[in-house]
Amino acid sequence: QSALTQPASVSGSPGQSITISCTGTSSDVGAYNYVSWYQQHPGKVPKVMIYAVSNRPSGVSDRFSGSKSGNTASLTISGLQAEDEADYYCTSYAGGSTYVFGTGTKITVI
Amino acid sequence: QVQLVQSGAEVKKPGASVKVSCKASGYTSSNYYMHWVRQAPGQGLEWMGVIDPSGTASHYAQKFQGRITVTRDTSTSTVYVELSSLRSEDTAMFYCASEEPGTAWFDPWGQGTLVTVSS
Repeated sequence: QSALTQPASVSGSPGQSITISCTGTSSDVGAYNYVSWYQQHPGKVPKVMIYAVSNRPSGVSDRFSGSKSGNTASLTISGLQAEDEADYYCTSYAGGSTYVFGTGTKITVI
Repeated sequence: QVQLVQSGAEVKKPGASVKVSCKASGYTSSNYYMHWVRQAPGQGLEWMGVIDPSGTASHYAQKFQGRITVTRDTSTSTVYVELSSLRSEDTAMFYCASEEPGTAWFDPWGQGTLVTVSS
């Protein structure tokens, strides 16, 4: 159960689009359409942004979108805003009622 | 209002055990899976384990096998995680998080409980 691999940091300018990758294996990301993404501001509790690869919970901006290809899932934030600056984590179901988180990506709005 | 309220901060010595609670209110928590996730200072999120809605089945990350026990008291809508043989590397914020069966996403989350392991 190794952590899913995410880039440590991604930066972008306001209004830009950025994409965060989340690479797993054929036993987790590649095997199930159960990838979710969480946003965490410093000192705050994680908040779900995307579930089941590409679905947005009620209340989450449509600037956030998700996709998956093979063993890699992606989160795209379009129209980047200052408030999007935070840490983002992917997670995937890994079989046997277990889950695995990604290593986390720090998004900086420059 | 759906809410998960966790017990207060803990300070433990190496080798000891800690038990953190998570009480649900505002919904029928016994219909939901409850997960535990931890986050060491300045580090990422780490999935620890889960208990099913009835409290009869728990599953754990391989890393914690033998040291972790997740239990559930459906009469009080409270879930517990107990971690034994604590070491300094276990210092972390512990979060509980709810999952509606079959959805595989976590919401809501508890406010977090800081567990500090220090001699």
